[in-house]
Amino acid sequence: GAVVSQHPSRVICKSGTSVKIECRSLDFQATTMFWYRQFPKQSLMLMATSNEGSKATYEQGVEKDKFLINHASLTLSTLTVTSAHPEDSSFYICSGRQGDGQPQHFGDGTRLSIL
Amino acid sequence: AQSVTQPDIHITVSEGASLELRCNYSYGATPYLFWYVQSPGQGLQLLLKYFSGDTLVQGIKGFEAEFKRSQSSFNLRKPSVHWSDAAEYFCAVGALDSSYKLIFGSGTRLLVRP
Repeated sequence: GAVVSQHPSRVICKSGTSVKIECRSLDFQATTMFWYRQFPKQSLMLMATSNEGSKATYEQGVEKDKFLINHASLTLSTLTVTSAHPEDSSFYICSGRQGDGQPQHFGDGTRLSIL
Repeated sequence: AQSVTQPDIHITVSEGASLELRCNYSYGATPYLFWYVQSPGQGLQLLLKYFSGDTLVQGIKGFEAEFKRSQSSFNLRKPSVHWSDAAEYFCAVGALDSSYKLIFGSGTRLLVRP
């Protein structure tokens, strides 16, 4: 149980385009979803926390207009990287949590490469 | 502020040998503690968690961890390592505030010698 599906697994696109990443909880309702960014050989950096039906809470230093997060249902959250540039290239991972204090369950990540 | 320290960046063990990965946390109360494993290019898989109760917790894949309040530690152990255990291991603590965000350690990369 507690499976999170993240799609796509890999994206390569040109600079200036917008990219949408989906995160779905397949067998549980994720009241909260999290979006992380991971640089090579580093730990996960939390970008934002989203609760279903409300605006995402962004961590300090993360541009909310650059990284648009939508959590319209209890099973789906999306991250849109707007006008992506090479410096946005990274590994993005989402997670879902069923309730307060419950463990987070992670997707398999999306490797984003901006040319 | 809450923090998690994994003092070992890399650990190499021989297949069949025992393993212990260290994790220390800084926290003001009884923490929620987690161990996750990440294979290359993959997301994170939950190995085990500690919320309360028995301080020795059993997880998947033969892993266990022991919560020691006096040492502020939550070390991960496995009695006999398999080659498939080679991966990155992250210790995490749940935030005290209502967000319950995870605060991750920097990770320990496990290499397994044949």
